[in-house]
Amino acid sequence: DQQVKQNSPSLSVQEGRISILNCDYTNSMFDYFLWYKKYPAEGPTFLISISSIKDKNEDGRFTVFLNKSAKHLSLHIVPSQPGDSAVYFCAASDNGGSNYKLTFGKGTLLTVNP
Amino acid sequence: NAGVTQTPKFQVLKTGQSMTLQCAQDMNHNSMYWYRQDPGMGLRLIYYSASEGTTDKGEVPNGYNVSRLNKREFSLRLESAAPSQTSVYFCASEAGDWDTGELFFGEGSRLTVL
Repeated sequence: DQQVKQNSPSLSVQEGRISILNCDYTNSMFDYFLWYKKYPAEGPTFLISISSIKDKNEDGRFTVFLNKSAKHLSLHIVPSQPGDSAVYFCAASDNGGSNYKLTFGKGTLLTVNP
Repeated sequence: NAGVTQTPKFQVLKTGQSMTLQCAQDMNHNSMYWYRQDPGMGLRLIYYSASEGTTDKGEVPNGYNVSRLNKREFSLRLESAAPSQTSVYFCASEAGDWDTGELFFGEGSRLTVL
């Protein structure tokens, strides 16, 4: 039973355009959501997060939107750059405390074409 | 700026052999984790250690053991390797307090079991 779903295995966009990566979850107890980016042969790196008390969090070119009623979040990258080409993982936590056991989605491979 | 260091980076084992993956972090983090990544499966938690002296099972602990040797080091042992354990293994750490929830990952250890 997959609790965090990234239904698009891959996404291709042109440089300068917007990239929108989607993530759905089924566990209504999840209260914290994160996005990680992973380049080949490297470990994932934290990108941006959002608490369930918010519906938007922005950091430079990256914005995460949370729709709790739909159990859906999305990552917007504007403008997209070739260096953004990577696998993006959505992750969620229901811990609400000081330690995390994140549930990860399967990832979406983003390719930004010059 | 070492962060999280994993060794070895690559290993080939025969079925039934044993080995230990080593992980060390220099960020004085309380919590440490071992994940595995398989194609199309995302990241799955094997074991975690919320603090020095404690360890707990994650989603896929069967066939593995862990040791939290001290605050810095968290090792993962395969006592009798099986082909199903062919994977990329990531160690991660986090501060363990209610902050961003950010995990810091190592570069990964690619294990092949023949």
